Amino acid sequence: EAGVVQSPRYKIIEKKQPVAFWCNPISGHNTLYWYLQNLGQGPELLIRYENEEAVDDSQLPKDRFSAERLKGVDSTLKIQPAELGDSAVYLCASSPSGLSNTGELFFGEGSRLTVL
Amino acid sequence: GEDVEQSLFLSVREGDSSVINCTYTDSSSTYLYWYKQEPGAGLQLLTYIFSNMDMKQDQRLTVLLNKKDKHLSLRIADTQTGDSAIYFCAESRNSGYALNFGKGTSLLVTP
Repeated sequence: EAGVVQSPRYKIIEKKQPVAFWCNPISGHNTLYWYLQNLGQGPELLIRYENEEAVDDSQLPKDRFSAERLKGVDSTLKIQPAELGDSAVYLCASSPSGLSNTGELFFGEGSRLTVL
Repeated sequence: GEDVEQSLFLSVREGDSSVINCTYTDSSSTYLYWYKQEPGAGLQLLTYIFSNMDMKQDQRLTVLLNKKDKHLSLRIADTQTGDSAIYFCAESRNSGYALNFGKGTSLLVTP
């Protein structure tokens, strides 16, 4: 079974440029998460989707960040314009939905962003 | 993960036991988790414990949970150099639909 796939793995851009990250969750997983991991820190939730609906986006900086999951499968996270402080690893995770599961998240390898 | 606290660094010799500690704040967490992150990789679930248990053993891993003190620990027996990684403690939040992570404990295993 394929895991969570993210691209690109690495991205270097200049500040004020836009950037987009793509995530393909595990097949059949209805819940998709985007987490931000700063250097030396734990992952912090940006947004959670149940199918195509964003059910928790309270931590997403909406002035420059946007996300979509149009068909309830793949998701894209966009930053426009990027700032120096956005340099971090952006992790995508997925999980099966439903109250019976253990809440385990399956993570992709992450997209490392460097803003110059 | 400001609600989940972990020590930042631990160094042990190969063959010794490692104990990584964590304190959490959400007493309603249904499950508590230990994830492992190797350099340049995503997080991988190591083990988890249901909140009504106080201990769980899984091969070389032992998880202890003290709900009264909101304290979670992970013991790795016979630690190997391949165990060198960052270990994250996590609690479920929002009725179990998202995880709240600590800052991670960097484990270094020396020969």
